[in-house]
Amino acid sequence: QQQVKQSPQSLIVQKGGISIINCAYENTAFDYFPWYQQFPGKGPALLIAIRPDVSEKKEGRFTISFNKSAKQFSLHIMDSQPGDSATYFCAANSPGGGADGLTFGKGTHLIIQP
Amino acid sequence: DAGITQSPRHKVTETGTPVTLRCHQTENHRYMYWYRQDPGHGLRLIHYSYGVKDTDKGEVSDGYSVSRSKTEDFLLTLESATSSQTSVYFCAISEGDRDDEKLFFGSGTQLSVL
Repeated sequence: QQQVKQSPQSLIVQKGGISIINCAYENTAFDYFPWYQQFPGKGPALLIAIRPDVSEKKEGRFTISFNKSAKQFSLHIMDSQPGDSATYFCAANSPGGGADGLTFGKGTHLIIQP
Repeated sequence: DAGITQSPRHKVTETGTPVTLRCHQTENHRYMYWYRQDPGHGLRLIHYSYGVKDTDKGEVSDGYSVSRSKTEDFLLTLESATSSQTSVYFCAISEGDRDDEKLFFGSGTQLSVL
């Protein structure tokens, strides 16, 4: 049972463009939605996160959009740069579940072409 | 990297042999986790620990055991390695109390079981 569905699996974007990665979830009890960024040979690193009481969160060029009624959330990377090329994972967590309650999407391999 | 060291970084072993991976942290965090990462599956939780000698199973715990005799060390053991356990293994810690879902990952161990 895949609780968090992530798409696309891979994405190629031109430098300066907008990269968009989407995730959908089923469990309405989820109340924390982080995104992790992973470079080759490294572990994932927390990039940005949102809770369902807001519809959008922005940090620099990275924005999470959250649609509670549709049970969907997405990561937008504005003015995408070659240094943004990485694998991105969305995740969702249950209330009070701690990180052992964290469910990850399968990941999106993003390539930004110069 | 939150003071997390994984060893070894790479290992090749044969089917049926025991393998132990080590995760060492320097900052006395209570919660530690072992994940495996596989193409098409994302990150999946194997086991986690919430204190010395306190551990619990994750999503994909079959074939794995863990031990935590000291706060700083969390060991993952494959009692009899199988080819299906070829993967990249990540250790992670979460800072703060149980409700802090922010994970910090080590750099991973690439394990190949031939």
